[in-house]
Amino acid sequence: GAGVSQSPSNKVTEKGKDVELRCDPISGHTALYWYRQSLGQGLEFLIYFQGNSAPDKSGLPSDRFSAERTGGSVSTLTIQRTQQEDSAVYLCASSLWGDIWPGGGDSPLHFGNGTRLTVT
Amino acid sequence: GENVEQHPSTLSVQEGDSAVIKCTYSDSASNYFPWYKQELGKGPQLIIDIRSNVGEKKDQRIAVTLNKTAKHFSLHITETQPEDSAVYFCAACGSSYKLIFGSGTRLLVRP
Repeated sequence: GAGVSQSPSNKVTEKGKDVELRCDPISGHTALYWYRQSLGQGLEFLIYFQGNSAPDKSGLPSDRFSAERTGGSVSTLTIQRTQQEDSAVYLCASSLWGDIWPGGGDSPLHFGNGTRLTVT
Repeated sequence: GENVEQHPSTLSVQEGDSAVIKCTYSDSASNYFPWYKQELGKGPQLIIDIRSNVGEKKDQRIAVTLNKTAKHFSLHITETQPEDSAVYFCAACGSSYKLIFGSGTRLLVRP
């Protein structure tokens, strides 16, 4: 079946502009995650959605970052007034339900291929 | 919160040899430890995982071991092939839903 889809795959923007990154999770997956991967680094947690609500926004780096999810499906990550340090690959993942280890069920994270954001 | 350290950052092996990547975690409450493989230009893909009630798990040429007492877990790849070349990430589940990732290991398998 279809995997997690992210668009655009690449985005180049000028410093100070706003950008929107889109994620289409696997159909039926209730949980959605955004991670950021800087060059040569690991994956940094940004935000977690369960349905349309975001019980954990603790990883968002600043108030320039926001995300929403509508219809329990598509999610958009918005970065306002982009800075050069925002340049990274933004990865979206979804899972069947929120608890990765709910006492035995299989609900692994499935990642998209990411959006590579370059701020010039 | 959870912190995961991963070593080595790069690993070069001859085709057919074994590769071992090690991770340590800080939160003794963590109970799920997946490994992801990331190829160039793609998102990470789950290759194997282990839960805290199991000490070892194998899937063909890959295996993962977990030492809860020492808070260590490791990925073992035997009979490496050039297509195993990629970046590998370990992770620990620091809460019921959040994965905390290591910094990654770039594995190069020389033909």
